[in-house]
Parts: sequence; C-alpha cells; structure tokens
Amino acid sequence: EPEVTQTPSHQVTQMGQEVILRCVPISNHLYFYWYRQILGQKVEFLVSFYNNEISEKSEIFDDQFSVERPDGSNFTLKIRSTKLEDSAMYFCASSVGWTGGTFYNEQFFGPGTRLTVL
Amino acid sequence: KNEVEQSPQNLTAQEGEFITINCSYSVGISALHWLQQHPGGGIVSLFMLSSGKKKHGRLIATINIQEKHSSLHITASHPRDSAVYICAPHSGGGADGLTFGKGTHLIIQP
Repeated sequence: EPEVTQTPSHQVTQMGQEVILRCVPISNHLYFYWYRQILGQKVEFLVSFYNNEISEKSEIFDDQFSVERPDGSNFTLKIRSTKLEDSAMYFCASSVGWTGGTFYNEQFFGPGTRLTVL
Repeated sequence: KNEVEQSPQNLTAQEGEFITINCSYSVGISALHWLQQHPGGGIVSLFMLSSGKKKHGRLIATINIQEKHSSLHITASHPRDSAVYICAPHSGGGADGLTFGKGTHLIIQP
C-alpha cells in the first residue's frame, strides 16, 4: 500500500543552523502539507502546497520556514535558522485532491521527523 | 478560527467495552477527520466524513454537521486500541490544513 515517507527520522542540530526535512508524498497525490507537534501538545498546521505554490499557511510559518518541491517526488521543509522552540515532531501529509470528478481531501501522514535543537 | 473540543480527555476501560469519544467544533466545516496516534508518534487516518456515518471494522464514526458534533465509537475494545484519538475538522475546500483537537488518551486494560 502506498505511504508517505519522511527522512530523517531524527535530526539533531545546533541553534542557528539550517535544517531541511524531506518527505516523499504518495505518488498520485497533488496536495502536500506540513504539520508540527511540540512534545505534549496538539498537532499544529504549518503550510499546504499545491501546484508548486503555497496554498495556505499558519501564523507559525514565518520567514524562517520555506517549502519546496524540488523534483517530481520530494517535498521539503526548510528552517533557515533553527531556534530551541523549533524542537518538535514534524509530520508531512498528502492528499489526492480531485479524482473521478470528486474532490477528496483525506490526508495521509508520514511517520514524522523528530527535530531536536540544542 | 475553529475551536475543537474533545471529550473525554482521558479514558480507561476494560477489554470488550463499548467506547465513545466526542468532538465538537465551533465553525461550520466541509469534512472531519478522525485520526489515531500511537505512543511512537505516527498518525493514521481512520475516517474522513462529511455527513452521516461510516464504519470500518470495529470503528464507527458519525457526524452531525448542523449540530457541529462528531463521535467515534469502538465496539468490542481491545488493548491494541490503546492510543490517542484525534478529531480534526477541515474548514474549507482545497488545500486547507486540518485543525487538530487535543486528543483523547484511550487505555484499554485486559
């Protein structure tokens, strides 16, 4: 069964460093998302991406964050200068969108990347 | 902004019991996800529904769009059902992000 994959599973970085989190969405999906979950808190939406541009972003997704689909398969989240408070689990998700004349937006999640900023 | 409330926050039950988890939200929606998160952190989509009722195995989800309320039921609960169950509405169409509830921590004891 197709699934969303994410790499790395765990990333440790120093404060101020740039990190890139990678995701491979399900191959026929057209909508891509990033979410984060700080330890002990609920999952929060960061950004959605469709047709090579950002569709929606939350107030969390400030200028330190960027997303890219550099090729036909990968979807990346970059944090330019990490802060301690960026430590969290980051989840990628994808959904198919239009299929058979129906808009279907069930989102399928990857296993997450645990980011630790020291 | 959609305010999502789940109840109960924590639930411990015996194996075999019928489980109900409730979700209410403040803003009209197009659809709602029920998701499961295990201790390792992974998130699994259980249902997406926009009206009525859906059933998958021992899981049943219902939604009342007019009352802004959804429920997740587990029949014949089993210890492997122990997880966090999360309600997450979509507010619009297109590529809108989900608004997650805080989740219900379910423990099923043998």
